[in-house]
Amino acid sequence: RKEVEQDPGPFNVPEGATVAFNCTYSNSASQSFFWYRQDCRKEPKLLMSVYSSGNEDGRFTAQLNRASQYISLLIRDSKLSDSATYLCVVRGDSNYQLIWGAGTKLIIKP
Amino acid sequence: DVKVTQSSRYLVKRTGEKVFLECVQDMDHENMFWYRQDPGLGLRLIYFSYDVKMKEKGDIPEGYSVSREKKERFSLILESASTNQTSMYLCASTEPGRSSPLHFGNGTRLTVT
Repeated sequence: RKEVEQDPGPFNVPEGATVAFNCTYSNSASQSFFWYRQDCRKEPKLLMSVYSSGNEDGRFTAQLNRASQYISLLIRDSKLSDSATYLCVVRGDSNYQLIWGAGTKLIIKP
Repeated sequence: DVKVTQSSRYLVKRTGEKVFLECVQDMDHENMFWYRQDPGLGLRLIYFSYDVKMKEKGDIPEGYSVSREKKERFSLILESASTNQTSMYLCASTEPGRSSPLHFGNGTRLTVT
């Protein structure tokens, strides 16, 4: 089993819809969690950190479920510009131990 | 805003050449990282550095070395480039602390022919 797993997709979603995807992790001692967005042939950019109590930033909501060892990202009222690959990253015991998922590709269709 | 700058966006080198990839960050971050990203494999850590002159191997250090002579600069060196090192190379930096995210440079797409 991979340490961090994501459904590669692609998720094809109509504009305006709500879409959610998960990222599971295997190390129960993982300390912090992030979602990044990566556009084609560009670098990953931080979308949001994921806090234990869950957090929201505009149309984006991130949740952490420690019991089941996954994080989720919910996008409401999706826009064409949300089309991208979404990467999750999990930090373990050490500041340097960052495990990346391979990404979930999202395509928003008009 | 944190700025991480990689010296080249695109690079084409020949097999056997020594290749230098430079990365500079302007936020006085202690930690710097070099990753490569290949389709279907995600981001893989090559080397990281937590202080000047300090370096640690990541998951795939073979064929690479690094240099951190100054805090703001972290260089990746391909001692003798090979075709299987054709990839997207990403530099990142972060502050110490487990809640600190990585900030990436805009990447160097290296092609070795």
